[in-house]
Amino acid sequence: QKEVEQNSGPLSVPEGAIASLNCTYSDRGSQSFFWYRQYSGKSPELIMFIYSNGDKEDGRFTAQLNKASQYVSLLIRDSQPSDSATYLCAVNPRGGDKIIFGKGTRLHILP
Amino acid sequence: DAGITQSPRHKVTETGTPVTLRCHQTENHRYMYWYRQDPGHGLRLIHYSYGVKDTDKGEVSDGYSVSRSKTEDFLLTLESATSSQTSVYFCAIRDGVPYEQYFGPGTRLTVT
Repeated sequence: QKEVEQNSGPLSVPEGAIASLNCTYSDRGSQSFFWYRQYSGKSPELIMFIYSNGDKEDGRFTAQLNKASQYVSLLIRDSQPSDSATYLCAVNPRGGDKIIFGKGTRLHILP
Repeated sequence: DAGITQSPRHKVTETGTPVTLRCHQTENHRYMYWYRQDPGHGLRLIHYSYGVKDTDKGEVSDGYSVSRSKTEDFLLTLESATSSQTSVYFCAIRDGVPYEQYFGPGTRLTVT
């Protein structure tokens, strides 16, 4: 069974610090990796995607992928209170039609 | 917002009644998905569609059926609602190369 694992949190980070969110996946053949942000009572919002090993940066967000270790992470620099949300990791196994979601990590930025 | 709307946004219904949720998109996407989200379980795929009249099951399809008679609409039907189907239901479309999903605003369904 293909799985995506995340620590449920909550992860508490002081404002201005770097928040580090981690995700592991079971299917070694997975090809595409996504990070969604979900505010309470709202729908998931795609914030980053990554396909190749290494880092991908977009503003304050950096996604990191290590396929050998089956590990993907999201770094949020200069954390703001507005970053407080649940972050969902998602994986597309082997280019199929579906993606599998982790259960999410709750992030709390402390003012 | 990827041009996705869901209706109704909130619904309360009684056990045993049929319920239909609608997902509407305006951008001619081929792929559409229905998920449910529950505490402790995360997002789980119910059914998806890869074209008009083309659908397939997800991991939690029991008790649900879907239909897609035109590109813009994907309907999710609970033939006889049960309390275990109380949940938040999200529709999503697939866009981009090779793969990105974007979500609608969700429908909160309560079965009493």
